[in-house]
Amino acid sequence: AQSVTQLGSHVSVSEGALVLLRCNYSSSVPPYLFWYVQYPNQGLQLLLKYTSAATLVKGINGFEAEFKKSETSFHLTKPSAHMSDAAEYFCAVKRNFGNEKLTFGTGTRLTIIP
Amino acid sequence: DAGITQSPRYKITETGRQVTLMCHQTWSHSYMFWYRQDLGHGLRLIYYSAAADITDKGEVPDGYVVSRSKTENFPLTLESATRSQTSVYFCASIIDRGPYEQYFGPGTRLTVT
Repeated sequence: AQSVTQLGSHVSVSEGALVLLRCNYSSSVPPYLFWYVQYPNQGLQLLLKYTSAATLVKGINGFEAEFKKSETSFHLTKPSAHMSDAAEYFCAVKRNFGNEKLTFGTGTRLTIIP
Repeated sequence: DAGITQSPRYKITETGRQVTLMCHQTWSHSYMFWYRQDLGHGLRLIYYSAAADITDKGEVPDGYVVSRSKTENFPLTLESATRSQTSVYFCASIIDRGPYEQYFGPGTRLTVT
């Protein structure tokens, strides 16, 4: 079975500051990992994904994440926060074989301080 | 427009009533999923389907029924709605097995009074 832990249900950063959203996973087999973003009253949109190619993954809107097997982590970062980054962010994991079920973390709400 | 759509977007119903949430995708994706989103729980899988006429339970299936007679449609039915089923429901699809992401619909906000 796999699981995901997102540390910090709420994160606030100042506009222009570094964004760091933490995600740790547990999986008995090599995983695929995903970060999704959800804006108010909308569905989830893919930010980026790790599929066992490069460990540093670049996504949309200037976000990137690094897969660290030794730390079982897949933290999401952005060098400079923008007001439009305010949203809820979800980390998710699935096995790289078998069924296609995703397991989600509980989410991190990102607030940007002007 | 191509994509994944859900209807209705908002629904208020009474305890004990049957309600069906619709999901339609235009990509002919193999897999489809239903999730519920509740504060503090993230998204939890209710049911999923690997193909037409193939469905399986997820993490929280009790009180829900699904069917998939056509690849593009995956309706979710609450047979006798309860207040604990008040939630936002998301449908998603994925093209096939492998390193692919799920695509999500806009969601249905259901309130059971």
